Amino acid sequence: DSGVTQTPKHLITATGQRVTLRCSPRSGDLSVYWYQQSLDQGLQFLIQYYNGEERAKGNILERFSAQQFPDLHSELNLSSLELGDSALYFCASSVEASGRSADTQYFGPGTRLTVL
Amino acid sequence: AQTVTQSQPEMSVQEAETVTLSCTYDTSESNYYLFWYKQPPSRQMILVIRQEAYKQQNATENRFSVNFQKAAKSFSLKISDSQLGDTAMYFCAFFPRGAQKLVFGQGTRLTINP
Repeated sequence: DSGVTQTPKHLITATGQRVTLRCSPRSGDLSVYWYQQSLDQGLQFLIQYYNGEERAKGNILERFSAQQFPDLHSELNLSSLELGDSALYFCASSVEASGRSADTQYFGPGTRLTVL
Repeated sequence: AQTVTQSQPEMSVQEAETVTLSCTYDTSESNYYLFWYKQPPSRQMILVIRQEAYKQQNATENRFSVNFQKAAKSFSLKISDSQLGDTAMYFCAFFPRGAQKLVFGQGTRLTINP
C-alpha cells in the first residue's frame, strides 16, 4: 500500500458525460501528479499540482481539468467523454515539487474509466 | 525530447533464474533520477528501485539491482532468484531534475514460470 488513495476504483459512463476522479496523497506529500495509461500507450503525464497550484501540464486535453484543494486532495475532471478516453488514470504523490530534491513518486491504485 | 526505450516487449524465465531487463534513455541533462516500477496484474504501480545519476554506485534492493551506465545512458534491472510474484509489467522511468514529470518507457512484460 503506497498510502495514495484514489476513488472510485471503476467508473463506467457514456460518451458525452462528465466524471470526477479523486485522489488523496500520502500524508505529508505536497505534490500530486495525474497520469493516463491507455491500452496502446504507456503512461502519459497529464498534470501536476504542488500545494494547491498548478506546476506543469503534459498532454492533457482541454476537456480535462484538475485542481488541488487546501487539504491537498486532488480531483481530475473529464468532460465530453469520448470512447478514446477509456483508460486507467493514476494519481501519484511526492513530498516536494520536482527539481528541488530527490523526489520519488508513489502511485495510487488507479481509477479504471470505461466510456461506452 | 527526452525518451525512454525498453527494447524487450516480453520476457519469460523459469522460477529461481536471474533475468535482466534493458532500458536506455536519451537526455542532455546531467542531473536526473531513474526508476523501475512494477505493474502486476492488479495494475498497481509499485516502485522497485531508484537511482540518482550523480551516484556511481549501482542501487540494490534485496533481489533487485541495477546496472547504471551513465555514459551509455543505460539503466538495466537485474532480478535475482526470480519468484512467481515477480510476474508483472516493468516500466523504466526517467525524471530529470527541474522537470515536473516522469517519462516512462513502453514496458517489458515479464513472466516467471514455475
